Amino acid sequence: DGGITQSPKYLFRKEGQNVTLSCEQNLNHDAMYWYRQDPGQGLRLIYYSQIVNDFQKGDIAEGYSVSREKKESFPLTVTSAQKNPTAFYLCASSISRDGNQPQHFGDGTRLSIL
Amino acid sequence: DAKTTQPTSMDCAEGRAANLPCNHSTISGNEYVYWYRQIHSQGPQYIIHGLKNNETNEMASLIITEDRKSSTLILPHATLRDTAVYYCIVRPYSGGGADGLTFGKGTHLIIQP
Repeated sequence: DGGITQSPKYLFRKEGQNVTLSCEQNLNHDAMYWYRQDPGQGLRLIYYSQIVNDFQKGDIAEGYSVSREKKESFPLTVTSAQKNPTAFYLCASSISRDGNQPQHFGDGTRLSIL
Repeated sequence: DAKTTQPTSMDCAEGRAANLPCNHSTISGNEYVYWYRQIHSQGPQYIIHGLKNNETNEMASLIITEDRKSSTLILPHATLRDTAVYYCIVRPYSGGGADGLTFGKGTHLIIQP
């Protein structure tokens, strides 16, 4: 089936550790996105990528890093510089970044601090 | 980006049509109206979007008023699995605002058996 796969579903991190969240899509989409959702809140954009080897900061990029070495993959690293990393992380992709192209989401990774 | 206003919650009987309203009175000419829904602990699911004309797909219909200041999402035959939070979003065609989707509080739709 075509879609967006995020793994793992649940992730635990110790203080001071970096952790990487996986996002893979087989939809042949050029654009990919990472969002963060806190309880009872809307989504906030962390990073986005229009094309391989290119990515841009979103509204809350501090403490996060990404790479886009392959079209189908857009991993997100939550670094120790992120002071409040506990959240629900959502990856999305779309054919392009045009506003007429819907973004489709994975099922998310829930990150917790031990 | 234009802001949207939605009721906090709504009930609908199973099998009936669910009509979810959204106000976007400050929408500009190049902004699309999008609808997503989110079931607890899952990623948002795209439902439908439109610019000026009414749209229909296998999931729902989108009715946009002529002045584009409001819209209604219609789920024609609601089932218990349609219970979710529904988000109405306006999004420009291009530019920085087209990148991130701005989700508000949405409408919690509860389908009653």
